[in-house]
Amino acid sequence: SQTIHQWPATLVQPVGSPLSLECTVEGTSNPNLYWYRQAAGRGLQLLFYSVGIGQISSEVPQNLSASRPQDRQFILSSKKLLLSDSGFYLCAWSVRGEQFFGPGTRLTVL
Amino acid sequence: GESVGLHLPTLSVQEGDNSIINCAYSNSASDYFIWYKQESGKGPQFIIDIRSNMDKRQGQRVTVLLNKTVKHLSLQIAATQPGDSAVYFCAELNQAGTALIFGKGTTLSVSS
Repeated sequence: SQTIHQWPATLVQPVGSPLSLECTVEGTSNPNLYWYRQAAGRGLQLLFYSVGIGQISSEVPQNLSASRPQDRQFILSSKKLLLSDSGFYLCAWSVRGEQFFGPGTRLTVL
Repeated sequence: GESVGLHLPTLSVQEGDNSIINCAYSNSASDYFIWYKQESGKGPQFIIDIRSNMDKRQGQRVTVLLNKTVKHLSLQIAATQPGDSAVYFCAELNQAGTALIFGKGTTLSVSS
């Protein structure tokens, strides 16, 4: 069966510090991968999606970036965090439209 | 542009009642929709999906209805239980077929 992992589960970072969130998927090949952000009490905002290794599409211009170094690995990064980057970050994978979400990373930028 | 929304931000029901959560979408060309349930502090969980060639689909205690004429989607939960308390999101596959567009969510509260 397929599983998706995200780490860390929670993270507190100072403004201006770098960020690296990792997502890995097991049990499937060549999935589409997604990064979403969810502010408190709000819906999900699509940040990036990837249909293959090295292929990244950005949905919202901002100080975040994403990379897909391996088929089942998706990384969300920032060189300098802003206060507004706080939120719940969710990774998801899909093969035929239906998306499955990871457990999320709660990021607090102070 | 593409957008998906929900009619009500909150819904409160009694245990055992049936719940109906509504969603309106704007893209008449959309052909795939999903309902997700998100419990506090967790990622969204797939509940049920429907394609545009159907107007109704049933799962275990849940039914999704699609009315393409008025671009309306609803999720019906039968015999609602306290464990159904969560935020429910509808989502629509974008025109390119590459990503889902999520609505803002409805918070369902079930009281015993």
